[in-house]
Amino acid sequence: NAGVTQTPKFQVLKTGQSMTLQCAQDMNHEYMSWYRQDPGMGLRLIHYSVGAGITDQGEVPNGYNVSRSTTEDFPLRLLSAAPSQTSVYFCASSRPGLGAGELFFGEGSRLTVL
Amino acid sequence: AQSVSQHNHHVILSEAASLELGCNYSYGGTVNLFWYVQYPGQHLQLLLKYFSGDPLVKGIKGFEAEFIKSKFSFNLRKPSVQWSDTAEYFCAVISGGGADGLTFGKGTHLIIQP
Repeated sequence: NAGVTQTPKFQVLKTGQSMTLQCAQDMNHEYMSWYRQDPGMGLRLIHYSVGAGITDQGEVPNGYNVSRSTTEDFPLRLLSAAPSQTSVYFCASSRPGLGAGELFFGEGSRLTVL
Repeated sequence: AQSVSQHNHHVILSEAASLELGCNYSYGGTVNLFWYVQYPGQHLQLLLKYFSGDPLVKGIKGFEAEFIKSKFSFNLRKPSVQWSDTAEYFCAVISGGGADGLTFGKGTHLIIQP
């Protein structure tokens, strides 16, 4: 099983550029989420989804969009990149209910915005 | 909103020393509690979890944690650490059905000196 797959692993953008971080899971998990990890800040929730067609905002959603057209895929779009979005991004999936906190993480995408 | 506080941002220990990392959460209702670990260059993985029942839970690699409801705490312990335990440790909480995602603490960076 591949688990949770994120692409790309590394990306450098210029301010104002847009891009999409891809996330796919093959575990048939209903819940998926995006976090960003910054030094001294832990992980902060950007957006999450409890199923296909359903998304909601987390703690730090500004500047990001998501969609969930299938159970497997949950892409994160940066609309107009800013240096403050330089971070490591993790996609995660989980089952609903008691399994919701048992997250399976991708390997991360390191984004630098110049 | 729930929040998680980890008391120590950086901890340095010698091999064979005992470890205790503090974690407190703010939510007053029913919660599920987790510790995640991130080894250098890797993604987060689940260390242990508490849902209900015995407040002393055991995880992988000899780690354990004790849930003390009256203190809103979920401290992580290990009797004798090894160099390979060098990592970042995150406490996390989820409430209700878990649909709105996991809330992480800011993490504790643990360094074990040989």
